[in-house]
Amino acid sequence: GIQVEQSPPDLILQEGANSTLRCNFSDSVNNLQWFHQNPWGQLINLFYIPSGTKQNGRLSATTVATERYSLLYISSSQTTDSGVYFCAVAGLNTGGFKTIFGAGTRLFVKA
Amino acid sequence: GAVVSQHPSWVICKSGTSVKIECRSLDFQATTMFWYRQFPKQSLMLMATSNEGSKATYEQGVEKDKFLINHASLTLSTLTVTSAHPEDSSFYICSAPRGRGQPQHFGDGTRLSIL
Repeated sequence: GIQVEQSPPDLILQEGANSTLRCNFSDSVNNLQWFHQNPWGQLINLFYIPSGTKQNGRLSATTVATERYSLLYISSSQTTDSGVYFCAVAGLNTGGFKTIFGAGTRLFVKA
Repeated sequence: GAVVSQHPSWVICKSGTSVKIECRSLDFQATTMFWYRQFPKQSLMLMATSNEGSKATYEQGVEKDKFLINHASLTLSTLTVTSAHPEDSSFYICSAPRGRGQPQHFGDGTRLSIL
């Protein structure tokens, strides 16, 4: 099945710093989402981005489907950005529905 | 607002009990839903695909007799953890796509603790 790798696994930032999280995937996808999991376990959908670039406030994401990677940018980080960020993909070869998660990037933003 | 509702959000029960978790799509029909399990400090692992009107498809290593899935209608899938034991304690979360090539919508999860 499709493999999803996220990097870095852990990241510590000073408040106000910028960061880039990366997601590599092993096969063609027709669905890619970035999530932030809050301390209560809720998955907050950040972006649905199988290709192209999107921005939402301090966050933006870019997926280069032909090169099989996606990037999540966090600018001017805040302590509330802390948590785990997941990349999740649905591969074309799995019917385009079955969504597989990467291992996540655990982010801690220091005040 | 939420488009996928999951209930209950928290369950604590004794070993040997069977526990049912419900997942509902609120404003769309979902012929397919997915069930995930997440252990502390780990990622979400896909357990099974729930198919309306047919048997669920389980991922390798997931016991189908332990985790019974019933997709009763186009808006409801249930996961029953049968004869639960402490090692079944985990965070269970469901999802449903609006359609092919559409984003997955996730429930808020169920935290299951077996004593």
